[in-house]
Amino acid sequence: GENVEQHPSTLSVQEGDSAVIKCTYSDSASNYFPWYKQELGKGPQLIIDIRSNVGEKKDQRIAVTLNKTAKHFSLHITETQPEDSAVYFCAASRGALNFGKGTSLLVTP
Amino acid sequence: DAGVTQSPTHLIKTRGQHVTLRCSPISGHKSVSWYQQVLGQGPQFIFQYYEKEERGRGNFPDRFSARQFPNYSSELNVNALLLGDSALYLCASSWTEETQYFGPGTRLLVL
Repeated sequence: GENVEQHPSTLSVQEGDSAVIKCTYSDSASNYFPWYKQELGKGPQLIIDIRSNVGEKKDQRIAVTLNKTAKHFSLHITETQPEDSAVYFCAASRGALNFGKGTSLLVTP
Repeated sequence: DAGVTQSPTHLIKTRGQHVTLRCSPISGHKSVSWYQQVLGQGPQFIFQYYEKEERGRGNFPDRFSARQFPNYSSELNVNALLLGDSALYLCASSWTEETQYFGPGTRLLVL
């Protein structure tokens, strides 16, 4: 089955800096790669996604890149704000979502 | 617009009991998926239903079962509860089977 590895497990940045979270996947048939943000006590919230026929996608301060050959994809958050502090999950899918273990992001003022 | 709703929000059961969790998808969404999230881990896939038919099943024992109703709402049932079943159970809905939107979850504690 699909195996998704996510790094780092924790990330601390100063407000205004950029944050990068990286994921690798094992199943070359996976064709959909969403990113979720989960705040304490809440369900995961979809923040951006990318499909295998696209290499990069951007939405305001958030961007995702995909390298199908290397089977890895990354989340980039620019100009981080304290409200970006949360746990971020990557996932790979060709049906059901297979999640990484999460990255706890802390943005300090 | 109402998002995915789940009930109950919290639940406490004892070992050996049975539990039923409920999910209502976003209006117009025909697919519902269930995930288990243990503290400190990513969600793990349990079931996916589309148009009332099971489309996928994760690596969970037969104690776990689910169904989807004609109005696209869904139930997850767990029999013979074990301590290790304590987790946040998440429901996600989608228009097709791809982009999934999660509800707030049901937090289950088994004592």
